[in-house]
Amino acid sequence: QVQLVESGGGLVKPGGSLRLSCSASGFTFSDYYMSWIRQAPGKGLEWLSYISDSGNTVYYADSVKGRFTISRDNAKNSLYLLVNSLRAEDTAVYYCARDGGIEVAANDFWGQGTLVTVSS
Amino acid sequence: DIQMTQSPSSLSASVGDRVTITCQASQDISKYLNWYQQKPGKAPKLLIYDASNLETGVPSRFSGSGSGTHFTFTISSLQPEDIGTYYCQKYDNPPPFTFGPGTKVDIK
Repeated sequence: QVQLVESGGGLVKPGGSLRLSCSASGFTFSDYYMSWIRQAPGKGLEWLSYISDSGNTVYYADSVKGRFTISRDNAKNSLYLLVNSLRAEDTAVYYCARDGGIEVAANDFWGQGTLVTVSS
Repeated sequence: DIQMTQSPSSLSASVGDRVTITCQASQDISKYLNWYQQKPGKAPKLLIYDASNLETGVPSRFSGSGSGTHFTFTISSLQPEDIGTYYCQKYDNPPPFTFGPGTKVDIK
């Protein structure tokens, strides 16, 4: 079955950096686009970024453009999000999600999320 | 960027009631509108994609309709396990794949 497991979250000081990881299993990772989505405490969902199956195409929300970098390693079935210059408002649960492709144009599977807390 | 709005922001209904949530896009997004359910402390779950297609394994009491800028999500007979927050998401290209602000559903 499809599984996505995020890791790498934690407590970081303002201005700091983290690399979030998402380990995928149960499907052919290299065939699918992947996304990062976050949710601040008590707030709604915010789409952040996506990367094509090959990794050649990426998109970012304006709110994180220039500070966040999405990447993937298809040999390791892994998705990454490098988050730099962190601010208090970046405190959130960060989810990775699969793009269902031509058949299902949606985020059809999600991980359980990893919490990033930005605080001094 | 295209903005997504949802109404109502919250609702309370009785078990067995028909529940309807609307989602509006600021520009035409054709059929590319998805609906997700999120229960407290859990990741969102896809319910409906392409405005009206039921995701595999999702109960048939959930349905969606609409196209262009106006979309509707319906629970035909509300069940206790349906409590949570429901989000719409636009999924037409190009990104961003913006979510609506959510509708919190609980039992009266």
